[in-house]
Amino acid sequence: DVKVTQSSRYLVKRTGEKVFLECVQDMDHENMFWYRQDPGLGLRLIYFSYDVKMKEKGDIPEGYSVSREKKERFSLILESASTNQTSMYLCASNFMNTEAFFGQGTRLTVV
Amino acid sequence: GENVEQHPSTLSVQEGDSAVIKCTYSDSASNYFPWYKQELGKRPQLIIDIRSNVGEKKDQRIAVTLNKTAKHFSLHITETQPEDSAVYFCAANSRSGYALNFGKGTSLLVTP
Repeated sequence: DVKVTQSSRYLVKRTGEKVFLECVQDMDHENMFWYRQDPGLGLRLIYFSYDVKMKEKGDIPEGYSVSREKKERFSLILESASTNQTSMYLCASNFMNTEAFFGQGTRLTVV
Repeated sequence: GENVEQHPSTLSVQEGDSAVIKCTYSDSASNYFPWYKQELGKRPQLIIDIRSNVGEKKDQRIAVTLNKTAKHFSLHITETQPEDSAVYFCAANSRSGYALNFGKGTSLLVTP
C-alpha cells in the first residue's frame, strides 16, 4: 500500500517565520510534487523534483523553495511566511506518467 | 505551466442521471490525462486515466474520452449515486512529461 506522508496536518506560523513542510514517500518514486490548493483555484504546482537534488519550478514558485536530499523525502520551505501563503499544501509522488499518490495535506495558517 | 481548463465548476444532478465534465489542454505534447476525485476533507485519488494512444476508456460507471485533435477530454459518470458527490479534477502532463497540471475542479452534487 503506497504511502505519502506529510509531517503535519495542521500548522500555525507567524508572519516572517521560516516554515518547513516535509513529505516522505515509501514507493521509491522518482517524481515528487508540491501543490497548493485554494478554493476555486484547484491544485497549483509550486515545485517538483524528478530526481535527488533536482528541482523544477511550477506555476507559483515565488516565496517558496524546495529540497530533495534523499529520494524518499521532499521538503517545501517558506523562506519568510506571509499571510497570503495561508493555504492547504499537498505533496504527491509518482513514476513518470503514472498515478500520482497524494499525502493527506497540511493546512497552514500564517498569522 | 501548461493550461488545463475544466468545466463546469459546479454540477448538480439527480441520482441515477449521468454527469459529464469537460477539460481542454493547450500543449499538443501532453500524452497522459488522469482524473482525480477528492471527497470532503480527504486527499485526491485517481479514478481513471487515459493515454493519448487511446480514444476511450471505461471502468464500470466511469468513462473517459479523448479527442487529441481538439485537445479535449471528458469524464462521464453514469447512474450517479450520492457517494459520487465530490470534487473532480482533470489533469494533463507537461511538455517535459514530469509534471501534472490540474484543472480548477468540478464540484459534483448528486441529490437523492
